[in-house]
Amino acid sequence: DAGVIQSPRHEVTEMGQEVTLRCKPISGHDYLFWYRQTMMRGLELLIYFNNNVPIDDSGMPEDRFSAKMPNASFSTLKIQPSEPRDSAVYFCASRGQGWGNTIYFGEGSWLTVV
Amino acid sequence: GQNIDQPTEMTATEGAIVQINCTYQTSGFNGLFWYQQHAGEAPTFLSYNVLDGLEEKGRFSSFLSRSKGYSYLLLKELQMKDSASYLCAVREDSGYALNFGKGTSLLVTP
Repeated sequence: DAGVIQSPRHEVTEMGQEVTLRCKPISGHDYLFWYRQTMMRGLELLIYFNNNVPIDDSGMPEDRFSAKMPNASFSTLKIQPSEPRDSAVYFCASRGQGWGNTIYFGEGSWLTVV
Repeated sequence: GQNIDQPTEMTATEGAIVQINCTYQTSGFNGLFWYQQHAGEAPTFLSYNVLDGLEEKGRFSSFLSRSKGYSYLLLKELQMKDSASYLCAVREDSGYALNFGKGTSLLVTP
């Protein structure tokens, strides 16, 4: 089975530009998570969806960040405008129903804002 | 909210046993997870504890004490490929997301 698929794998962009990160969860999984990882702060939850509906977005840093999930097989995380402090690895993850089910991570999108 | 603490770094010798501790404080608890993350890669699931006690899976075991807010990951017969970051994560009883500690970077030396 295909795992969680993210794109792009690497992106370098200039400050002020819009960045869009994409994610395809594992088929049949109805929870989707966006995490951000930096050396200083570790792995932080940004937002998660259940059945395409945002459940908790309290981790989204500020209004420059937005996330959508238009259907069960696709989600985007957008940063507009981007800033150097947004440089991080952004992971998308998904899980299925069932309290014991674990979360599976994609390979990550490595973002550098210069 | 949650506070999850684990040592930043550990070093151990190939073939030895190492224990990585994790303490947590949470308003509600419904599971503790351990993930392994090699440099430049995604975290991958290792173990899950929701009840007190020891869960064994091959060379890896994980222990949980809910009353003490404490868990450990035990790695036996260490191999060079075990050099990685080990992340402790807690799930609150109010949600499905995991909150992660900052990870313990383990270096296995010959």
